[in-house]
Amino acid sequence: GEDVEQSLFLSVREGDSSVINCTYTDSSSTYLYWYKQEPGAGLQLLTYIFSNMDMKQDQRLTVLLNKKDKHLSLRIADTQTGDSAIYFCAESGDYKLSFGAGTTVTVRA
Amino acid sequence: DVKVTQSSRYLVKRTGEKVFLECVQDMDHENMFWYRQDPGLGLRLIYFSYDVKMKEKGDIPEGYSVSREKKERFSLILESASTNQTSMYLCASSINTEAFFGQGTRLTVV
Repeated sequence: GEDVEQSLFLSVREGDSSVINCTYTDSSSTYLYWYKQEPGAGLQLLTYIFSNMDMKQDQRLTVLLNKKDKHLSLRIADTQTGDSAIYFCAESGDYKLSFGAGTTVTVRA
Repeated sequence: DVKVTQSSRYLVKRTGEKVFLECVQDMDHENMFWYRQDPGLGLRLIYFSYDVKMKEKGDIPEGYSVSREKKERFSLILESASTNQTSMYLCASSINTEAFFGQGTRLTVV
């Protein structure tokens, strides 16, 4: 959606770190999310961060939030072929989620 | 295990037909959503519902309507299908922080 922007493609070598970036416009967002979509599947919640936090780590995933710049990033350490997917950034407002266009991550050997 | 089930994975309909997409969740969630997903555009919200018989327009409601007669079921209706409604349709339900998605219905209108 136009309220959430992210780059469309990212190519990364297996074993390297991936960083996916996202910017959003709604300063009242309570939560910000990263979803993963594998081919032919629905969306799966990867992780989320509350708006009063600036970092969250969960195994290979690190989420950084810069609330002043309204910038969110997802870092995947030691990227594997199974990480190839579309990654969506989303923000919550009222009852609904607003999604970015999705970043297609391709992991090459 | 939480589940959101969409009635069809693939659907082919003719222009002008009335189309029903069904979604059922078993988590007793208050909120349910219908999105369409198109390449380069991400997910766009069509309609959502935060209670039985309640509905709210999303960002792109034109050409669609919805029905929420029971808490667990949220239906998306295309009154007269058109080719520009060919898309992947995703249903979701949520409570608080997390939304759970169905597998999606790929609708082709010919």
